[in-house]
Amino acid sequence: RKEVEQDPGPFNVPEGATVAFNCTYSNSASQSFFWYRQDCRKEPKLLMSVYSSGNEDGRFTAQLNRASQYISLLIRDSKLSDSATYLCVVNMDDGGSQGNLIFGKGTKLSVKP
Amino acid sequence: ETGVTQTPRHLVMGMTNKKSLKCEQHLGHNAMYWYKQSAKKPLELMFVYSLEERVENNSVPSRFSPECPNSSHLFLHLHTLQPEDSALYLCASSQGGAIGGVYNEQFFGPGTRLTVL
Repeated sequence: RKEVEQDPGPFNVPEGATVAFNCTYSNSASQSFFWYRQDCRKEPKLLMSVYSSGNEDGRFTAQLNRASQYISLLIRDSKLSDSATYLCVVNMDDGGSQGNLIFGKGTKLSVKP
Repeated sequence: ETGVTQTPRHLVMGMTNKKSLKCEQHLGHNAMYWYKQSAKKPLELMFVYSLEERVENNSVPSRFSPECPNSSHLFLHLHTLQPEDSALYLCASSQGGAIGGVYNEQFFGPGTRLTVL
């Protein structure tokens, strides 16, 4: 089983749509979860951390389900500027002081006028 | 300058060349990373330095040689690379490792796009 698996995408949605991305992870001991955004030919940038209780930042809502080892990202009222690849990122705790962050392949979102 | 900077931004080299990638972070972080991003593949962690000591080497071929002279600078020395090494090489930094099992976010540089002919 792949360590971090995301929806294959691409997602093509009209402006104003609500879109949801899903991600599953294999290590039940993982404790840190993030969504990063990567624009074409640019570096990844943190979109939001994902907390156990779920968290919201404007139009973006992240949810964590530890029992199912599942993370989601919901984007409401999509904007053209939301077009990017969204990376699900999970730490793989190896017990050391510097755990690895494992990145999913990413889900590409394209918001059309 | 602020954040994480990388030079050069683009590099074309032959298989017999020796070159170095440079990364500098201006965030006061104590951990730095090298990642490789190839087309259609997820980011692959190559090396991790914490407090200037290498703490992770993910089975990277010896033709890639990292160097971390201080907590703000990280180099990746390249020699006798193969065409399949062509990729985007990203440097990142973060503050510390796990604190209570929670890992801090990593900040990425813009990357060096490497082409090996």
